[in-house]
Amino acid sequence: DGGITQSPKYLFRKEGQNVTLSCEQNLNHDAMYWYRQDPGQGLRLIYYSQIVNDFQKGDIAEGYSVSREKKESFPLTVTSAQKNPTAFYLCASSTSGTGVSQYFGPGTRLLVL
Amino acid sequence: GDSVTQMEGPVTLSEEAFLTINCTYTATGYPSLFWYVQYPGEGLQLLLKATKADDKGSNKGFEATYRKETTSFHLEKGSVQVSDSAVYFCALNAGNNRKLIWGLGTSLAVNP
Repeated sequence: DGGITQSPKYLFRKEGQNVTLSCEQNLNHDAMYWYRQDPGQGLRLIYYSQIVNDFQKGDIAEGYSVSREKKESFPLTVTSAQKNPTAFYLCASSTSGTGVSQYFGPGTRLLVL
Repeated sequence: GDSVTQMEGPVTLSEEAFLTINCTYTATGYPSLFWYVQYPGEGLQLLLKATKADDKGSNKGFEATYRKETTSFHLEKGSVQVSDSAVYFCALNAGNNRKLIWGLGTSLAVNP
């Protein structure tokens, strides 16, 4: 089955620690996205990538980093510079073209110990 | 800039009631419009979409019509079920960069 997988489902971070969230897709999509979801604030775009080896900052990129070395993979690192990382993180992908839909993974909930 | 405004929730309905969730937008050009649904603890799923004026998107009994004259894309369902309880997001895409502009979401609770 084609789809997007995110792991782990829950992740705990200690103070000062960097953590990496995994996102893999087998839909052969060019574009991938990372969103942060907080209660009552909807979805906010962290980073997006339209093609391998290229990515752009979204609206709230500070304290996060990404890489896009393979078409299938778009990992997100939450660095120690992100002072309020507790949130639900969603990865998505889409095909090329305008007006295309984004397909979402099941999400990773990050909690700070 | 482009934006999406949804009616605030939570919306609470009894089973078999009629549902409307309002969505209006501001955009340059001719955006594509989307409704997504998020069940508790899960990712978002595409519910329906419309890519040009007067198009009607429909899926699972939900419908929305792209109204350019009123810049709206209201979500409707004639008879809701308990299983429709979720958060519904309206979104638009107006550019070539494939970014979606999101509303804040509307929570729906359907009671038996």
